[in-house]
Amino acid sequence: AQSVTQPDIHITVSEGASLELRCNYSYGATPYLFWYVQSPGQGLQLLLKYFSGDTLVQGIKGFEAEFKRSQSSFNLRKPSVHWSDAAEYFCAVGTSNDYKLSFGAGTTVTVRA
Amino acid sequence: DTAVSQTPKYLVTQMGNDKSIKCEQNLGHDTMYWYKQDSKKFLKIMFSYNNKELIINETVPNRFSPKSPDKAHLNLHINSLELGDSAVYFCASSRGTGGGYTFGSGTRLTVV
Repeated sequence: AQSVTQPDIHITVSEGASLELRCNYSYGATPYLFWYVQSPGQGLQLLLKYFSGDTLVQGIKGFEAEFKRSQSSFNLRKPSVHWSDAAEYFCAVGTSNDYKLSFGAGTTVTVRA
Repeated sequence: DTAVSQTPKYLVTQMGNDKSIKCEQNLGHDTMYWYKQDSKKFLKIMFSYNNKELIINETVPNRFSPKSPDKAHLNLHINSLELGDSAVYFCASSRGTGGGYTFGSGTRLTVV
């Protein structure tokens, strides 16, 4: 079964600084990988996804993520954060033959002025 | 038009009561899900229906019963509510396998 680890529980970043959130997955074959964002009191919104092809994936809100098979990682990045990026971020893994999506424990991002 | 809508958004009820949460999607997806998010924000799948057929049934107390009258609707009924059932319940939908869910905005259930 697939699983996801997000090593960082909480990250604080200054507005305008860069952000990188780590995600490691465990799965034998090529996984389907996702990043979701959850703003306070809201549902989860899909930021970006990787199924195959180019390992650098562009998403919404200026986010990008890079799939590195050798490191079993799918880290999320943003060059310059805005106060509105303060939220909970979830990495998730799925497979081509499974309906289930497994989520990491999430990383809370705080943006300071 | 909201893609995946859940009602109610908030639900406060006493222990021992029975309650239902409704979910509807207008995306034409064939699969719907219920996830539970606990106080530590951990998301765990509970159930999934594909074209009205139950395909995922994780280790959930049998007080929880999903119902899918058609592929656009998935409801969750909970009997004899307990304090530990307090959580945010998310409905989601997808087209086929592989993930890529669209989530509803959640129902915050508080059992007192």
